[in-house]
Amino acid sequence: GAVVSQHPSRVICKSGTSVKIECRSLDFQATTMFWYRQFPKQSLMLMATSNEGSKATYEQGVEKDKFLINHASLTLSTLTVTSAHPEDSSFYICSARIAGGAAVEQFFGPGTRLTVL
Amino acid sequence: GENVEQHPSTLSVQEGDSAVIKCTYSDSASNYFPWYKQELGKGPQLIIDIRSNVGEKKDQRIAVTLNKTAKHFSLHITETQPEDSAVYFCAVSGGYQKVTFGTGTKLQVIP
Repeated sequence: GAVVSQHPSRVICKSGTSVKIECRSLDFQATTMFWYRQFPKQSLMLMATSNEGSKATYEQGVEKDKFLINHASLTLSTLTVTSAHPEDSSFYICSARIAGGAAVEQFFGPGTRLTVL
Repeated sequence: GENVEQHPSTLSVQEGDSAVIKCTYSDSASNYFPWYKQELGKGPQLIIDIRSNVGEKKDQRIAVTLNKTAKHFSLHITETQPEDSAVYFCAVSGGYQKVTFGTGTKLQVIP
């Protein structure tokens, strides 16, 4: 149980285009999902917290107009990197927290490798 | 905000030996301490966690200890195997608050 998927696993795009990454909780409902960014050999940096049915909360320094987050259902959150540039190339990882109860664990997706040419 | 330090950054052990990774944190209100294993090109996988009302927790070859007074916690892996080779991250959270990750430890188990 508690499986989180991401799609696509890898994407290569041209500079200036937009890329959408999907994060799905497969066997549970998640009122809260998180989006992280990870550079090579570095730790995970939280970008934003995505709450179902409301606006995402972005961490300091993360451009909300650059990284659009939509959490339209209890099992799906999307991250859209708008007008991507080479410096946006990174490993993007989502996680989800089980809705309700006292559970605080986050379950992570497999990540999406974005390469912007 | 929360500050999490993790040591060592790299660790090499012989197969069968034990490995210990240590983390310290700054916010005394933190009460949830998970450990994640990340293999190359994959997302982090929760391997064990501990809450502030517990001092130690064990799951087969993996154990975590917590010292709330000193604000540090450790991951212990016994009888290491080559498949334990990965990057390990400690993390800290105040319950439903966001999780802050440590800087990671690259563990290499030498056959």
